[in-house]
Amino acid sequence: GENVEQHPSTLSVQEGDSAVIKCTYSDSASNYFPWYKQELGKGPQLIIDIRSNVGEKKDQRIAVTLNKTAKHFSLHITETQPEDSAVYFCAARLGGFKTIFGAGTRLFVKA
Amino acid sequence: SAVISQKPSRDICQRGTSLTIQCQVDSQVTMMFWYRQQPGQSLTLIATANQGSEATYESGFVIDKFPISRPNLTFSTLTVSNMSPEDSSIYLCSVFGEPSTDTQYFGPGTRLTVL
Repeated sequence: GENVEQHPSTLSVQEGDSAVIKCTYSDSASNYFPWYKQELGKGPQLIIDIRSNVGEKKDQRIAVTLNKTAKHFSLHITETQPEDSAVYFCAARLGGFKTIFGAGTRLFVKA
Repeated sequence: SAVISQKPSRDICQRGTSLTIQCQVDSQVTMMFWYRQQPGQSLTLIATANQGSEATYESGFVIDKFPISRPNLTFSTLTVSNMSPEDSSIYLCSVFGEPSTDTQYFGPGTRLTVL
């Protein structure tokens, strides 16, 4: 079955710097890759997603890139702010409703 | 979009007891999903709940331990039975937006501690 690996597990950046989180997936048939942000005491919330027919997608300070050949996808956050501090999960979906999540990255943004 | 509420938000329970978690969605959805998030870990799917049929459980999860009810299209319950400290986790209810099923929504979670 599908397996998603996520790195790093913890990331600490200075406010204003960029943060990059990387994921790899195992099943080349996966076609949808969402990213979730989970704040303390809350459920995960979708922040951006990308389909397998697209190489890059941007939404304000957040961007996601996908390399289908290498089965890599990454989340890029620019101009980080303290409110970006949270746990971020990448995920992969192979059609249907089964979502496989990465292990999560705890992002700390230092003011 | 879908707004999901869960009750209780947290609970502390004694081993050997059972806890029922409720999930309410503000719109009718075909399928509801229950996840477990162990401390500092990722999300693991427990089961999928459809109205009018038995829930479908993922490998490693059984109905006797995690019975699920789905009485209508906006509500589901998950029971954690005969609890042990290993059951201490956050339990999350989830649905997909309809008719567009790209976006997956999660409830706020129920934080369970078993002593």
